[in-house]
Amino acid sequence: EIVLTQSPGTLSLSPGERGTLSCRASQSVSSSYLAWYQQKPGQAPRLLIYAASRRATGIPDRFSGSGSGTDFTLTISRLEPEDFAVYYCQHYGSSRTFGQGTKVEIK
Amino acid sequence: EVQLVESGGGLIQPGGSLRLSCAASGFTVSGTYMSWVRQAPGKGLEWVSLIYSGGATDYADSVKGRFTISRDNSKNTLYLQMNSLRVEDTAVYYCAREERLAASGPVFDYWGQGTLVTVSS
Repeated sequence: EIVLTQSPGTLSLSPGERGTLSCRASQSVSSSYLAWYQQKPGQAPRLLIYAASRRATGIPDRFSGSGSGTDFTLTISRLEPEDFAVYYCQHYGSSRTFGQGTKVEIK
Repeated sequence: EVQLVESGGGLIQPGGSLRLSCAASGFTVSGTYMSWVRQAPGKGLEWVSLIYSGGATDYADSVKGRFTISRDNSKNTLYLQMNSLRVEDTAVYYCAREERLAASGPVFDYWGQGTLVTVSS
């Protein structure tokens, strides 16, 4: 079973700064099967990125995804106040594995 | 408009049973993959169970043999029957639609608001 490890656990940034979140897989995965979700307190997760780099409908272009093999990255180019949340990567496989999450908090 | 509305959560004693429902609108549950995903208090997301469009099912090892996923096509509703509940099953349970988007495997593109299950004596 593939394990996804996200880093850092918490990212402290100021609005307007760039955020870089990492997701590392325990073995090589197809980029077609790697997604990112955003979750705010008390809300359900929201799909941000699918197939490693494609933005879901309605997602602002300050969000971008990249990577292949075992290393994937979610980048938020300029943090807006509404971007402070927890972000999860996820792999589609026989079991839909999630990373443990990265919390992006206001510095 | 796609909507998913869960219900059925509550407080239950260890060893008890509970059935969660997820009423869908804006699409047909039988025409896509549907999953349950849970989140323990203050923890991350854990996939629980999946029902394929053809009716086959799959489960996380942590719930296999205790939980059963099903759907009622006439009601366009997804269910999760949870038996032999344990304290560690305490979580918010979300239903989520899985859809294949361009060049991707199935992703969770729509989620319900979640229903809280608390297993405690």
